[in-house]
Amino acid sequence: KAGVTQTPRYLIKTRGQQVTLSCSPISGHRSVSWYQQTPGQGLQFLFEYFSETQRNKGNFPGRFSGRQFSNSRSEMNVSTLELGDSALYLCASSGRDYGYTFGSGTRLTVV
Amino acid sequence: AQSVTQPDIHITVSEGASLELRCNYSYGATPYLFWYVQSPGQGLQLLLKYFSGDTLVQGIKGFEAEFKRSQSSFNLRKPSVHWSDAAEYFCAVGSGTYKYIFGTGTRLKVLA
Repeated sequence: KAGVTQTPRYLIKTRGQQVTLSCSPISGHRSVSWYQQTPGQGLQFLFEYFSETQRNKGNFPGRFSGRQFSNSRSEMNVSTLELGDSALYLCASSGRDYGYTFGSGTRLTVV
Repeated sequence: AQSVTQPDIHITVSEGASLELRCNYSYGATPYLFWYVQSPGQGLQLLLKYFSGDTLVQGIKGFEAEFKRSQSSFNLRKPSVHWSDAAEYFCAVGSGTYKYIFGTGTRLKVLA
């Protein structure tokens, strides 16, 4: 079956702009989580969605938001981009077994 | 506070040698434990997971891990390393939710 698909793979944005990242989970998976990965902070949990509802949230400012659609696809949005938002953003989906399947990520560079 | 510690930032082993990557956790509830591997520029792949039961867990690619509650550890092992195992390895802990805590990773280098 198809894996977790994240689009786009690479993105370059300017400070102050906003960005939307997309994630299509494995078919049948209803939970979608987002993580930010940076060399300095490692992997940090952003939020998790289940059946279109945010179930868990990490310690990120309100500029980071997300949503999930009825087909379980998810988007995350970052507004007013800062240089420090440059990172690999990873999406992961999960079924009933609690083990994540990760996508390949979106590499965001803010200049 | 909940945390995961991977004390070794870098490890170098020769191909064919055995491998052990260390992971210690601090978690109030009964933990769910995971090991993931990440190749450069890629996402993370699940190697194995432990929820309950037998404390020795077998995973993919010949990896295994042992849960030791008394030591709060979940070390990853492989009897004979292959050059293709060179990657970064992450230990993670969670509970019944999906808000996992990841360690900082151990980068494995394999010498031919």
